[in-house]
Amino acid sequence: AQTVTQSQPEMSVQEAETVTLSCTYDTSESDYYLFWYKQPPSRQMILVIRQEAYKQQNATENRFSVNFQKAAKSFSLKISDSQLGDAAMYFCAYRAGRSGGGADGLTFGKGTHLIIQP
Amino acid sequence: EPEVTQTPSHQVTQMGQEVILRCVPISNHLYFYWYRQILGQKVEFLVSFYNNEISEKSEIFDDQFSVERPDGSNFTLKIRSTKLEDSAMYFCASLTQGDGYTFGSGTRLTVV
Repeated sequence: AQTVTQSQPEMSVQEAETVTLSCTYDTSESDYYLFWYKQPPSRQMILVIRQEAYKQQNATENRFSVNFQKAAKSFSLKISDSQLGDAAMYFCAYRAGRSGGGADGLTFGKGTHLIIQP
Repeated sequence: EPEVTQTPSHQVTQMGQEVILRCVPISNHLYFYWYRQILGQKVEFLVSFYNNEISEKSEIFDDQFSVERPDGSNFTLKIRSTKLEDSAMYFCASLTQGDGYTFGSGTRLTVV
């Protein structure tokens, strides 16, 4: 079974600084997708960034970027120029890409609570 | 931007009662999901639904749970006889090929 591990229960960063959240995963699949989701206090799940395993180029989305190391099974999220609105729980998630369909659900890590200090 | 809509936002029910959680996925999406998040814990996959039938389900999704798409828009999760440990946030999500999952804002279920 696939597992997703987020080893940092909580991280703190000064506003405008850069922070990196760690995620590792375990899978025997070669085709899969990785995601970072943000969950603010409202508990809405908001997609931050997505990475297809077959793509070597790291995904970026404005201030958010990933460092995807397929051989090491590592998928970290870097947040640049941190803002107060970035404060939230961040969940790393995995989904197998077999058969090209969406039947498989997401496997989530336990999350990292990100605190932004003004 | 298209949204996944969930109702109600908060439901309180007595132990042993049946509850139905409702979701309206994004109209052109093909796959639909239910996830559960017990307070303070990670989000857990319950079930996926495609072409009007269950595609995959987790160990959590036992005989107490069922899903249905009664018409072209609604997607429901029914819990037949609720237990205290069913108290959680329940998220609906939908997906179409090439996109990331879109989650609803969740239903907070409290079983008393």
